Amino acid sequence: GIQVEQSPPDLILQEGANSTLRCNFSDSVNNLQWFHQNPWGQLINLFYIPSGTKQNGRLSATTVATERYSLLYISSSQTTDSGVYFCAVEHESNYQLIWGAGTKLIIKP
Amino acid sequence: EAQVTQNPRYLITVTGKKLTVTCSQNMNHEYMSWYRQDPGLGLRQIYYSMNVEVTDKGDVPEGYKVSRKEKRNFPLILESPSPNQTSLYFCASSLMSNTGELFFGEGSRLTVL
Repeated sequence: GIQVEQSPPDLILQEGANSTLRCNFSDSVNNLQWFHQNPWGQLINLFYIPSGTKQNGRLSATTVATERYSLLYISSSQTTDSGVYFCAVEHESNYQLIWGAGTKLIIKP
Repeated sequence: EAQVTQNPRYLITVTGKKLTVTCSQNMNHEYMSWYRQDPGLGLRQIYYSMNVEVTDKGDVPEGYKVSRKEKRNFPLILESPSPNQTSLYFCASSLMSNTGELFFGEGSRLTVL
């Protein structure tokens, strides 16, 4: 089946820093989504981005479907950005989302 | 307010005692799904439903049942819970399958003793 790999697995940054999180996938996909799970466990959809670039405030994402990767950029990090960031892809052949293992981000004040 | 509501949020039960975790969405979404999240294993799909009366197994369906009698509700049933079903459970919905923004409930933390 399709493999989804996220890197880095852990990231510790100082408040105000910028970061780039990566999601690689091994096969063609119908769509890709980025999620943030905050320290209280809540899962929030950040981007639905099968291809191209989207921006929402300090966050932006780019998916290059032909090269099978997506990047999530966080600029001017805040402590509230801490948590785990997941990417999930929908394989072309079925309706199931395949999840990456996540990147755990800690923003220190 | 658009939301996915799960109940209970926290539950401690004993092996073999049937329980149901309810999930309701108010967005008229066709697609609903259940996940469990365990340390080191990430999110794994239990069951999903493309529409009323249409349900399919996900990656880890053993020990669980679901039903979709109404569009807004998608309960998860544990007929005979076992300790290996101790986990954090999430219900999610989207307008149509996975081809759109997926909304999650706040999670239900279940402990089976």
